[in-house]
Amino acid sequence: EDQVTQSPEALRLQEGESSSLNCSYTVSGLRGLFWYRQDPGKGPEFLFTLYSAGEEKEKERLKATLTKKESFLHITAPKPEDSATYLCALSGSSASKIIFGSGTRLSIRP
Amino acid sequence: DAGITQSPRHKVTETGTPVTLRCHQTENHRYMYWYRQDPGHGLRLIHYSYGVKDTDKGEVSDGYSVSRSKTEDFLLTLESATSSQTSVYFCAISPGQGLNNEQFFGPGTRLTVL
Repeated sequence: EDQVTQSPEALRLQEGESSSLNCSYTVSGLRGLFWYRQDPGKGPEFLFTLYSAGEEKEKERLKATLTKKESFLHITAPKPEDSATYLCALSGSSASKIIFGSGTRLSIRP
Repeated sequence: DAGITQSPRHKVTETGTPVTLRCHQTENHRYMYWYRQDPGHGLRLIHYSYGVKDTDKGEVSDGYSVSRSKTEDFLLTLESATSSQTSVYFCAISPGQGLNNEQFFGPGTRLTVL
């Protein structure tokens, strides 16, 4: 069965303090691994799609990487506006759906 | 922002009453999805559609039905609402072959069943 586990559940950082969020997964035939950002009271906002191990994508202070078992969302010199819940999701070849993790709640203190 | 709207945005109803939530898109995307989001469970797929009148079940479809008579509209119906269906419901759309592509989400509907 395809599974996605995100850690930590919550992370508090000081502004400018870089860190990484983890998404561990098991899947039979990865079609795509997705990262989303969700602000309170809003729908998830698409950030990145990764398709194969070794792939990396960047957007502003965020960089997503992928291995055969994990994906990391690296945040460099975060600002308070980066505070949100970050969701990882994946699509596998054996399932007709996308599976979402429970998310990491990121809080950046000024 | 992707052109997705959901209505209503908030609804309070009583157990046993029927409820219909509407998702409307202006992107002409083929795939549309309904999710529910609950603390501790993340986003779970209820139903999805891969074209007009083409729908399929997700992992938590019991107690829900859907209809898609036009490309732009996807309706979610709770035939007889229960308290366990209190949740935040999100609609999403996706271009092309949905499972290989990112999804774009609407603003959500907060449903409370008393």
